Amino acid sequence: AQSVTQLGSHVSVSEGALVLLRCNYSSSVPPYLFWYVQYPNQGLQLLLKYTSAATLVKGINGFEAEFKKSETSFHLTKPSAHMSDAAEYFCAVRGLGTGTASKLTFGTGTRLQVTL
Amino acid sequence: NAGVTQTPKFRVLKTGQSMTLLCAQDMNHEYMYWYRQDPGMGLRLIHYSVGEGTTAKGEVPDGYNVSRLKKQNFLLGLESAAPSQTSVYFCASSYGVGQAFFGQGTRLTVV
Repeated sequence: AQSVTQLGSHVSVSEGALVLLRCNYSSSVPPYLFWYVQYPNQGLQLLLKYTSAATLVKGINGFEAEFKKSETSFHLTKPSAHMSDAAEYFCAVRGLGTGTASKLTFGTGTRLQVTL
Repeated sequence: NAGVTQTPKFRVLKTGQSMTLLCAQDMNHEYMYWYRQDPGMGLRLIHYSVGEGTTAKGEVPDGYNVSRLKKQNFLLGLESAAPSQTSVYFCASSYGVGQAFFGQGTRLTVV
């Protein structure tokens, strides 16, 4: 069964600094991968997704992620953090099959703090 | 578009009471999911459905039941609530292997 591991439950960066949130997946074949963001007291919204079309995926709000099969990683980056980026970020994986094989599994989340 | 709508948004139950959480989506999605979110544990899948009339267990199904009688609705039931079920519950839907769309959540407290 596929799973994802997010390294670091809390990450703090200064405004303007690089944001790097780590995600490693476990799957027998390259799966579909997603990054979601959750702002306080809200649901989750999609930042970006990898579906095998391109290894470098660009998302909303200046975020991007690179799929690296050799490292089984899908790390999320943003060149310059803004205060508005403070939120919780979740990596998720979905299998390639249909039906029950396609369930969506989330990591435990990384809370991003942005300081002045 | 309404997207994914969860009702109620907040609820307080006494131990042993029952309740049903309703999730409705208007995007004609085949797949629907129920998750619970607890601090430090991310989102854990309770049950999910890959189509009308079908349901399957996720990671933490004990104490919950679900039904998908209509394609647009996915109900989550708690037959006898326990304090351990205090959580924020999220419903989501997706079309195939595309992105999942989430509701705004239901904050449930069991006392």
